[in-house]
Amino acid sequence: DAGITQSPRHKVTETGTPVTLRCHQTENHRYMYWYRQDPGHGLRLIHYSYGVKDTDKGEVSDGYSVSRSKTEDFLLTLESATSSQTSVYFCAGRDRGGEQYFGPGTRLTVT
Amino acid sequence: QQQVKQSPQSLIVQKGGISIINCAYENTAFDYFPWYQQFPGKGPALLIAIRPDVSEKKEGRFTISFNKSAKQFSLHIMDSQPGDSATYFCAASKGSGGSNYKLTFGKGTLLTVNP
Repeated sequence: DAGITQSPRHKVTETGTPVTLRCHQTENHRYMYWYRQDPGHGLRLIHYSYGVKDTDKGEVSDGYSVSRSKTEDFLLTLESATSSQTSVYFCAGRDRGGEQYFGPGTRLTVT
Repeated sequence: QQQVKQSPQSLIVQKGGISIINCAYENTAFDYFPWYQQFPGKGPALLIAIRPDVSEKKEGRFTISFNKSAKQFSLHIMDSQPGDSATYFCAASKGSGGSNYKLTFGKGTLLTVNP
């Protein structure tokens, strides 16, 4: 979905460093989601937002935090990156019809 | 606890054949069932979705069949083409607002269509 962009697209970082991934949307989605995708696990929900400053945990939230100060931007932060957080991260937004649309993903490698 | 089980993990089909991917769910509160298609290096793209008030939905060569009593739904790809080669994910969610529309995904099926 061209309405959802993610930055950076690729990042390599060292264990113990903080990392912030950005999701930007131009579709005025109220609901937004962060997922991680790992081989053999499919897509797993990390955190989600149901409005500005309204967020909640998903099934794999440990080690992650999120913030949403305005409708357009949803940030995912790894407070202290670990090798187990090496993954591909996807942001998604839900439209009024109930369908979720995904961004292009960020490939994160923690060394 | 895996709430959406998808099978098979991988599938090889000849061009022109029918590809069938199955999913089973446990939570009877689920009432929205989308399928996503993902090509390497890309984000998942919504392919087709169904709600339990119908047993089948067709869009072009793609059909979802839904069996509420069995808690199962499947994706059929007719006249499969090499360009259909991708990973397919089923998902489910509770449509009412209380769940915040969170999707639970199956683990994916890697489809290869041979020419």
